[in-house]
Amino acid sequence: DADVTQTPRNRITKTGKRIMLECSQTKGHDRMYWYRQDPGLGLRLIYYSFDVKDINKGEISDGYSVSRQAQAKFSLSLESAIPNQTALYFCATSDRKTGGRYFGAGTRLSVL
Amino acid sequence: TQLLEQSPQFLSIQEGENLTVYCNSSSVFSSLQWYRQEPGEGPVLLVTVVTGGEVKKLKRLTFQFGDARKDSSLHITAAQTGDTGLYLCAGAGNAGNMLTFGGGTRLMVKP
Repeated sequence: DADVTQTPRNRITKTGKRIMLECSQTKGHDRMYWYRQDPGLGLRLIYYSFDVKDINKGEISDGYSVSRQAQAKFSLSLESAIPNQTALYFCATSDRKTGGRYFGAGTRLSVL
Repeated sequence: TQLLEQSPQFLSIQEGENLTVYCNSSSVFSSLQWYRQEPGEGPVLLVTVVTGGEVKKLKRLTFQFGDARKDSSLHITAAQTGDTGLYLCAGAGNAGNMLTFGGGTRLMVKP
């Protein structure tokens, strides 16, 4: 089983719809992240959480919200999806010592 | 804002050739990480370099961190088709845990 699991893997939605992307991890890490990947732009940080009671905005948080339901679960919501939110979304975890990221397999989101 | 530029953006080579990809910034990083990403998957951490001038080897891959900790390179010797993928570098700022990702180098190794 994957250490970081994202659901769904693919999603097509319409402009204005609310959607939620879910992430769960079995690595036991406190730190979790949501990134967005667009061609040629690398990975950009949307939100991050260092523990269950900690939520922080990343560089591109507008239009997104998150919830840290438990140490192992971190979900990303798009309250009212728009076409320029079409992208690959990745959840990741890290441990405190090395900071290296462990990524899920991603969710491919298309907003029509 | 710390920026990381990777070059080249695209590289297509024959199996057996050597190649180097670069990751450059005007900012100093406390450490630098390299990832490889294959289609349909998330990035996988290859290495973290921490000390200026550090060289790390992972089989046919050699990673170097610049003396000033502003740049890094990845050299692949005798590339194989299995090396095909997107290579991403990511620098950690002084706060330690925040990463800035480069735009990536997309490598294709042809048989």
